[in-house]
Amino acid sequence: AQSVTQPDIHITVSEGASLELRCNYSYGATPYLFWYVQSPGQGLQLLLKYFSGDTLVQGIKGFEAEFKRSQSSFNLRKPSVHWSDAAEYFCAVASFSGGYNKLIFGAGTRLAVHP
Amino acid sequence: SQTIHQWPATLVQPVGSPLSLECTVEGTSNPNLYWYRQAAGRGLQLLFYSVGIGQISSEVPQNLSASRPQDRQFILSSKKLLLSDSGFYLCAWSVRASGPYEQYFGPGTRLTVT
Repeated sequence: AQSVTQPDIHITVSEGASLELRCNYSYGATPYLFWYVQSPGQGLQLLLKYFSGDTLVQGIKGFEAEFKRSQSSFNLRKPSVHWSDAAEYFCAVASFSGGYNKLIFGAGTRLAVHP
Repeated sequence: SQTIHQWPATLVQPVGSPLSLECTVEGTSNPNLYWYRQAAGRGLQLLFYSVGIGQISSEVPQNLSASRPQDRQFILSSKKLLLSDSGFYLCAWSVRASGPYEQYFGPGTRLTVT
């Protein structure tokens, strides 16, 4: 069965430091992968997606993610974190069947940013 | 551009009372629609999805039901709320096409059952 694991429940970084959030997936075919961000009390916003092609994908707000098939990973990175990046981040893999998309989400990683 | 609305934004209801949450999408036609629940400190659980008017599929057995009376309207209901129904409810849409696409989420409804 498809699954997504985000090993880190909470991460704290200093403002200006680099960031890497880990995501591992289990999926039998070519995965379609997403990263979403959720600010407190808000809905989810799509940061970036990977469908095929270049394994390094760029997203909004200066985020990027790298797909590594050999490691079944899709880690999210940002070279310099801003205080406004404090939020919860969700990795997801899509499965398609019966005419609809099903997104399988990881449990999320909560990011805190120290000034 | 497409927008998705949910209301109410927050709701406090007693146990045993009925529930109706509404979601509407603008700027697109024939979307796939989804209801998710996010319990405190947990990830997202898919509750229902719909590929068309009157077509509802449930992912998990529960106290809730969903309906799609119009193409861009999706309603989540319950006849009698349980304490365990508390949570953050998110509606989402995606294009209906022969392949996986990203989903776009609404602002959510915070439901507290007392």
